[in-house]
This record gives sequence, C-alpha cells and structure tokens, in this order.
Amino acid sequence: EVQLLESGGGLVQPGGSLRLSCAASGFTFSSYAMSWVRQAPGKGLEWVSVISGSGGSTHYADSVKGRFTISRDNSKNTLYLQMNSLRAEDTAVYYCAKDLGVAATTASAFDIWGQGTMVTVSS
Amino acid sequence: SYELTQPPSVSVSPGQTASITCSGDKLGDKYISWYQQKPGQSPVLVIYQDTKRPSGIPERFSGSNSGNTATLTISGTQAMDEADYYCQAWDSSTVVFGGGTKLTVL
Repeated sequence: EVQLLESGGGLVQPGGSLRLSCAASGFTFSSYAMSWVRQAPGKGLEWVSVISGSGGSTHYADSVKGRFTISRDNSKNTLYLQMNSLRAEDTAVYYCAKDLGVAATTASAFDIWGQGTMVTVSS
Repeated sequence: SYELTQPPSVSVSPGQTASITCSGDKLGDKYISWYQQKPGQSPVLVIYQDTKRPSGIPERFSGSNSGNTATLTISGTQAMDEADYYCQAWDSSTVVFGGGTKLTVL
C-alpha cells in the first residue's frame, strides 16, 4: 500500500526551529518528486516547497524562501522540511504529497497525501 | 504572482450536476488539477492534467480547461460529494492553489 507518514510537528516559539519528516512506503521513492503543502486552521491549501526525485532541484514559495529547506534521503525513503525563524503565520497542518512524476513540471499533480502533522508557532 | 480564483461556495441538489469554476489569466495554457477535501481528512486528487481521472475516482467527476476558466463538473451529485474542492496549477516553478470552493449538497 502506498503511504506517507508525517512526523515532527508540535508547539514552537516564534523564531524557533522544527524539522518535519515524511516516511514513504509502497512505491519507489526516488522516482518521484515530493512536495510539502500546508493548511492553516480553517483556511485553504498553500504549497510550500518541492524537491525532485534525485534531490537535485528544489523550489520554494516566496513566503518561506530563505527560512525553510526541503531535502530527502532516498536511502531512507524519507522527505524532510527544516523550518527556521518560525512565525505565527506558519501555524498550520503540514502535508507531504507525492508527485505524479520524477520532476516537478507543469503537468505535475499530487496523487498521494499524508495525514498531516500540526505545527503551532506561539509563545 | 499568479492567482487562481474560485467561488467560495456552490450548492447543488442530489442527482443534479455541480459545476465548480477556477479562473486565472490564460489558464487554458496550463494544466489544472482538482482536489477534494472532506472535513478532518487529507486532500484527494480527483482530476489531473485538466481531464484525467486517477484510478478509483468515479466517472461522475470530469474536468475541462479553456481560455481563462477551468471547470470541475460532478454529474449526478451524491451526498458523499459534499466537500471542499481546490484547483491547482503550476506557474514559474511554483504551485498555486485556488482559494477553495465549499460544495453543499442539499
């Protein structure tokens, strides 16, 4: 069964850091680009970042550029999101999502989603 | 930055056809995907590359995209289709989601 399982969420103070993980199973992890998508409480979906299957290409939303870093360890079938300088507006459920293909392209879509992990930034 | 605009809400009677629109500049030149999200659940891909249905998605879900508007159509809408729906596109190496449409089946 194809599955994504996020972990690492929690309560953090403004300015703090957190690292999210997403463990993948049931498919050849290195063959697919992966993204992080977040959803603030009661709000819509907001894309955060994408990484290609090899890890050699990454892109970020302007709202997180310079603060968040996406990475992956294909030997461990795991996707990461390092979040630094966290702000109250980063409070959200963070989902990892599998792309249809190995690279993020204009034809990409997210066909598998994890259950999400909640990040709360508050003092 | 690129924007996708959706109506906040759409209502439909059971058995009727629901149409949810997504508008953006020259949207027909891009591929559109649609996601369904029910309360407390993760999003589910229902349409990708404008018109394609993933395995397991009922045939009553269909999509189109032309000009400045993409449309998700649900034929013979069922109570189980009540959910939030989001359109999504790529622009300049970033992903853009529409604001979402709450579909009410009543």
